[in-house]
Amino acid sequence: SQQGEEDPQALSIQEGENATMNCSYKTSINNLQWYRQNSGRGLVHLILIRSNEREKHSGRLRVTLDTSKKSSSLLITASRAADTASYFCATDRALVVNSKLTFGKGITLSVRP
Amino acid sequence: NAGVTQTPKFQVLKTGQSMTLQCAQDMNHEYMSWYRQDPGMGLRLIHYSVGAGITDQGEVPNGYNVSRSTTEDFPLRLLSAAPSQTSVYFCASNRGTGGPQHFGDGTRLSIL
Repeated sequence: SQQGEEDPQALSIQEGENATMNCSYKTSINNLQWYRQNSGRGLVHLILIRSNEREKHSGRLRVTLDTSKKSSSLLITASRAADTASYFCATDRALVVNSKLTFGKGITLSVRP
Repeated sequence: NAGVTQTPKFQVLKTGQSMTLQCAQDMNHEYMSWYRQDPGMGLRLIHYSVGAGITDQGEVPNGYNVSRSTTEDFPLRLLSAAPSQTSVYFCASNRGTGGPQHFGDGTRLSIL
């Protein structure tokens, strides 16, 4: 079963606009991670936010985590055509020995030039 | 550093054939995992390993075998290929439990 569910499934924006993607999960977590996948390539880790953190930044990326709502958002500011990719959230569940990351189904982001 | 290397990149098999997908990492990571990615299904964990000699099943292990004789290598074996195993297979490694995973570029497998 999917622990992380991303929303929306697809997003199309103009270059320069901001892109906001959301992820909801079901059980307590140690951390939540966001990955990017370009067409025909493997996933690339973008950012990890721990359960005791509320916000984290990396370049044009901003991630927030609300553990009370079991949700996270990924904001990409000033988007570029090169940001066109699929984005996945993944959760590391708490209280599980040798916990494995559970991935959502992904969001397809298209940035129009 | 090559990171995670998967071979082959593409493969076509006939139903019933067997084959091994290779995965190697040069980051001295303890943890390695195999996933399959199908349209609309996200990534599903097949098998994983927490160190040399230690493997365990993931969400969809049936029809696949793994072994981990060295820290670097984690091959995935298809015992008797079936059309339902047509997919893109990704290998990943990470340093510790719950840590960021490093992915290979995948093996695109078609079974006729």
